[in-house]
Amino acid sequence: GQQLNQSPQSMFIQEGEDVSMNCTSSSIFNTWLWYKQDPGEGPVLLIALYKAGELTSNGRLTAQFGITRKDSFLNISASIPSDVGIYFCAGTRAGGTSYGKLTFGQGTILTVHP
Amino acid sequence: EAGVTQSPTHLIKTRGQQATLRCSPISGHTSVYWYQQALGLGLQFLLWYDEGEERNRGNFPPRFSGRQFPNYSSELNVNALELEDSALYLCASSLFQGAGETQYFGPGTRLLVL
Repeated sequence: GQQLNQSPQSMFIQEGEDVSMNCTSSSIFNTWLWYKQDPGEGPVLLIALYKAGELTSNGRLTAQFGITRKDSFLNISASIPSDVGIYFCAGTRAGGTSYGKLTFGQGTILTVHP
Repeated sequence: EAGVTQSPTHLIKTRGQQATLRCSPISGHTSVYWYQQALGLGLQFLLWYDEGEERNRGNFPPRFSGRQFPNYSSELNVNALELEDSALYLCASSLFQGAGETQYFGPGTRLLVL
């Protein structure tokens, strides 16, 4: 089925460093969403993007919807220990068997050393 | 405002049994989605219900089924449980506005099949 390629798979950084992760696809997506998931919990929505080229911030987080509609990135500035978790990109496509469902990337595991 | 709620939080069953998982969406949301998050396999789309109707289903066998009630809550039924059904089952809801709706997740039900 349709896959989103998310990279990197994992990151080990020092507190205060900036983080960047991205997702790419061979197909066009109408919406890009970024979620964070802590162990044993459900994904929490961080940022939603609805238009190609859109750049949106949420505190220290910034995400962009790629111009080609086939990619998105998430940046975290000045990381803190509570940023630890798994970050997922997800997207929606219109039509057919894609209708309504989110397709997820494989996740980026973020570890922040104090 | 309450988020998406799911019950039970944990469920232990044996092979061949049936499991029923429940979800209450955010107030005002009409769409409910079910996802399976098995270890190492990421989040996979299972089912989408809107206004009481099944709108789309993922690549899962028919023993995965569900329904949506008039109050928009939903249940997921898994019949003839197999060991590989062990996973975190996540419910999400959205105010469906066509392609591009934003989905909000509940905490999940962890199903263990012995």
